[in-house]
Amino acid sequence: DVKVTQSSRYLVKRTGEKVFLECVQDMDHENMFWYRQDPGLGLRLIYFSYDVKMKEKGDIPEGYSVSREKKERFSLILESASTNQTSMYLCASRRGLLLIGGELFFGEGSRLTVL
Amino acid sequence: DQQVKQNSPSLSVQEGRISILNCDYTNSMFDYFLWYKKYPAEGPTFLISISSIKDKNEDGRFTVFLNKSAKHLSLHIVPSQPGDSAVYFCAASKNTGNQFYFGTGTSLTVIP
Repeated sequence: DVKVTQSSRYLVKRTGEKVFLECVQDMDHENMFWYRQDPGLGLRLIYFSYDVKMKEKGDIPEGYSVSREKKERFSLILESASTNQTSMYLCASRRGLLLIGGELFFGEGSRLTVL
Repeated sequence: DQQVKQNSPSLSVQEGRISILNCDYTNSMFDYFLWYKKYPAEGPTFLISISSIKDKNEDGRFTVFLNKSAKHLSLHIVPSQPGDSAVYFCAASKNTGNQFYFGTGTSLTVIP
């Protein structure tokens, strides 16, 4: 059974704190993604990675960074959390380089609240 | 700039009837489309997909229709069941790209 695991389901942080969100997949997928989901805005791509140590910006990378040191692990970092980063964060992975037939597998999400 | 749009934020349907969820896209380069279902406090789960070489794909109670000329796709659920109550997202991608573009979601409520 394939699995994408996000380390924390619920986090509460204070403004200015550094926040780490961890994601691990056990499917040997090349591609990993971080999205945030907000009401009325759908899922918006923050960053993605198509290989170890490789990363590309998505639509809303400001205020975020990522790290992919191992194929199975993709971390999202909020250098200095702000209240507008309160959101549901979703990690996903996908096999291969071709998109046809390659759906995203999502983790259960991390609900972050920044006070 | 929203390249994938779901103009109906919510939809209510009686159990046993058909649910039709709609999605429009603006980029003619998109050639692969997916539907995801999401329950509260859970990650989205893949439901069904369609490539641009087809105009229909069916999987059990779920059928996705693609109208390339209108840049429109729809998801039909027949018959609708209370367990189908969830938020549904459509997504699109380009074969040459690496990114999926998601709509804003439609919240479906199936009334028993």
